[in-house]
Amino acid sequence: NAGVTQTPKFQVLKTGQSMTLQCAQDMNHEYMSWYRQDPGMGLRLIHYSVGAGITDQGEVPNGYNVSRSTTEDFPLRLLSAAPSQTSVYFCASSRRATGTAMNTEAFFGQGTRLTVV
Amino acid sequence: AQSVAQPEDQVNVAEGNPLTVKCTYSVSGNPYLFWYVQYPNRGLQFLLKYITGDNLVKGSYGFEAEFNKSQTSFHLKKPSALVSDSALYFCAVRGYGNNRLAFGKGNQVVVIP
Repeated sequence: NAGVTQTPKFQVLKTGQSMTLQCAQDMNHEYMSWYRQDPGMGLRLIHYSVGAGITDQGEVPNGYNVSRSTTEDFPLRLLSAAPSQTSVYFCASSRRATGTAMNTEAFFGQGTRLTVV
Repeated sequence: AQSVAQPEDQVNVAEGNPLTVKCTYSVSGNPYLFWYVQYPNRGLQFLLKYITGDNLVKGSYGFEAEFNKSQTSFHLKKPSALVSDSALYFCAVRGYGNNRLAFGKGNQVVVIP
């Protein structure tokens, strides 16, 4: 059971380039999300999905796209990288929080450290 | 809207002394509260979560958390800190009917040998 797997672990991009951060989970979780972590700002939600074919925006969605074609995968696309997108990106998954499962915990990947120069 | 405040940037404690990391929350309705720990260059690891009706919740690695509804707090505690507890700790909250987790900014804990 691998849990949540993110690739790549490190990436350097030039301003204006695009790339996709991969995230896969093998726990059959319905809910998946992407966060960015910046010093002193905690984790901020970028996009999330409650199931295949359903995505929505979080707090800081600008400059990012997502899609959810399968339960397992939730890639994050940077459309045109900017230095402000230099950050550590985390993917998380959980059961859908509903009814008696409202306190279900999230599982996190190991993160992708992205530098945009 | 749901939010979490972790008022201290860094907590320094001597090895063997009690450790407390503070967290207050704001949410409509019942809160669903969590603590996570992050070691350097790693992802977040789940420590514990609030169970409705239990004001003292026990979790991994000897950690526990005290829920106080009147003070809207969920402070993380450990009776005797270890050097290996040095890490970044995050409090998170989810409101009823909401999948989204809101995180605090994190507290760096430094345990001094």
